[in-house]
Amino acid sequence: GNSVTQMEGPVTLSEEAFLTINCTYTATGYPSLFWYVQYPGEGLQLLLKATKADDKGSNKGFEATYRKETTSFHLEKGSVQVSDSAVYFCALNSGGSNYKLTFGKGTLLTVNP
Amino acid sequence: SAVISQKPSRDICQRGTSLTIQCQVDSQVTMMFWYRQQPGQSLTLIATANQGSEATYESGFVIDKFPISRPNLTFSTLTVSNMSPEDSSIYLCSVVTAYQETQYFGPGTRLLVL
Repeated sequence: GNSVTQMEGPVTLSEEAFLTINCTYTATGYPSLFWYVQYPGEGLQLLLKATKADDKGSNKGFEATYRKETTSFHLEKGSVQVSDSAVYFCALNSGGSNYKLTFGKGTLLTVNP
Repeated sequence: SAVISQKPSRDICQRGTSLTIQCQVDSQVTMMFWYRQQPGQSLTLIATANQGSEATYESGFVIDKFPISRPNLTFSTLTVSNMSPEDSSIYLCSVVTAYQETQYFGPGTRLLVL
């Protein structure tokens, strides 16, 4: 079956530091990959996605590249801000007409001023 | 993306009672899902809400405990029945719009069972 393994947190950084949150996956077929963000007290927001190998998703300064050879989709940001403090979830679906998402456990990021 | 609202946004309930959560979307969507997020945990899919027919439940979830309705393409309800403190969670609905494979999530309903 499908599974997503995320770097365990919590992660604490200073403002303007570089961020990497690792995500690897196991899936059959050709999955699509997603990063969602959950700010305190809110629901999930789609941050970025990639639907095929070598695609790069990007949004709000965050990037992630779909690496089929390493089954990875690591999230990066060059300079984090206090407002980036949130829980980040890596997720996949199996593609095609199967929209069910499999989530990683989530990584709590805290950015200090 | 679709705009999704959920009611109530939060509630505190007594054990043994039931709560119905509503999910409303501002446009017709292909699929609707219900998830549970237990405290400090990731999201677990409860079921797919099917329009005009019975929901499709994931392993470990049953209709008697989590009855779901979806009378049309923009609205669904999830009932948490005979609640116990273990049901304290955030319940989220999500949707997939036509021709997109991306799921968009509602703001969630925060439930505390005493």
